[in-house]
Amino acid sequence: EIVLTQSPGTLSLSPGERATLSCRASQSVSSRYLVWYQQKPGQAPRLLIYGASNRVTGIPDRFSGSGSGTDFTLTINRLEPEDFAVYYCQQYGSSPLTFGGGTKVEIK
Amino acid sequence: QVQLQESGPGLVKPSQTLSLTCTVSGGSIRFGSYYWTWIRQPAGKGLEWIGHIYTSGSTNYNPSLKSRVTISADTSKNQFSLNLSSVTAADTAVYYCARGNGNFYYMDVWGKGTTVTVSS
Repeated sequence: EIVLTQSPGTLSLSPGERATLSCRASQSVSSRYLVWYQQKPGQAPRLLIYGASNRVTGIPDRFSGSGSGTDFTLTINRLEPEDFAVYYCQQYGSSPLTFGGGTKVEIK
Repeated sequence: QVQLQESGPGLVKPSQTLSLTCTVSGGSIRFGSYYWTWIRQPAGKGLEWIGHIYTSGSTNYNPSLKSRVTISADTSKNQFSLNLSSVTAADTAVYYCARGNGNFYYMDVWGKGTTVTVSS
């Protein structure tokens, strides 16, 4: 099983700042199968990025994904108030599908 | 626009079987390349993949739950279902159904989730 480790666990930032979220895999993951989601309290996760760097239609361009192999990054430029949430990475390059433990982006 | 809606009992007794159904509207589960998926999330914790049924009917389960899980589909009702047997308090969670893309395996459509509590 591929373990995804997200860091930091919590990121305290102010609106307008940049958030850099890390997702590290215990073994190499095809970029094709690395996904990022955003989850707000009481809501289902929302798809942001697939294939490591492909932004879903309707997601603002301040969200970007990058990385390959075992190291992937989600960057949020110029945080907006609605961006404060929990972010999860997910892989299915290898079964079972696994999620990272999440990074909470909170208002400083 | 495809929408998913979970339904089922909110309370299940220990050792019994948890049964949930996901009703799909706005599209057919028979067509396309999709993984119809169940995911759960204990309160305050992260997401756990339970398993999926592919459009073709093939299934794949999380090894940690495989001995207790069955996912099936009823194409006549455009629904897919989750059965989880021998439940314990550790199975208390919000259960989500979702549609997984067959090429990139991202989950682009989610139900709102349903809370299931295991308690006597």
